[in-house]
Amino acid sequence: ETGVTQSPTHLIKTRGQQVTLRCSSQSGHNTVSWYQQALGQGPQFIFQYYREEENGRGNFPPRFSGLQFPNYSSELNVNALELDDSALYLCASSPPPRGTGGNTEAFFGQGTRLTVV
Amino acid sequence: AQKITQTQPGMFVQEKEAVTLDCTYDTSDPSYGLFWYKQPSSGEMIFLIYQGSYDQQNATEGRYSLNFQKARKSANLVISASQLGDSAMYFCAMRTNTGNQFYFGTGTSLTVIP
Repeated sequence: ETGVTQSPTHLIKTRGQQVTLRCSSQSGHNTVSWYQQALGQGPQFIFQYYREEENGRGNFPPRFSGLQFPNYSSELNVNALELDDSALYLCASSPPPRGTGGNTEAFFGQGTRLTVV
Repeated sequence: AQKITQTQPGMFVQEKEAVTLDCTYDTSDPSYGLFWYKQPSSGEMIFLIYQGSYDQQNATEGRYSLNFQKARKSANLVISASQLGDSAMYFCAMRTNTGNQFYFGTGTSLTVIP
């Protein structure tokens, strides 16, 4: 168990609706990132938050937005849902970096499975 | 651009045998980390092992070892003494020192046969 919790675990939404997914990061981790994993694919980076500021974004449209709170928990909001948004959404928390080599591991939650109909 | 390639969509291994899952990567950044994650059907990505680009020795974590060949840009995962609970998807991932994100491969589905 990683200490990263996501809610809800499953969600069904209608095309055009809006959705908010939540993530509580592991204690002491000040960085939270979100990934979208379509069926049969590897996770794709959406964005990352560090100390409540977005500090990196993948190739996702602006209708994907997020927030990080002072306790480092985070939300992912998706507006105007499309059928292709159906996926597993993973939240990952990381501790502060410790030197070079991209060596900061990320601890993932169990994910939220979103189905858009 | 960073890229991870996993060419084995599915692998089978007999219980108690060893198995190697392949991973190649591409990056122009000299400082990077390579990771392996296990994803059971529940969806959670479980961290297995890490190898830094400057590490001289191959990483090991219990039954997991990483065969790092820097010149070939490969980072294969070796699982020794396979167990039924090892059946899952396995993802190779890379993170560079200058970037914020993990780059994942498409994964390998491992099935351990009793």
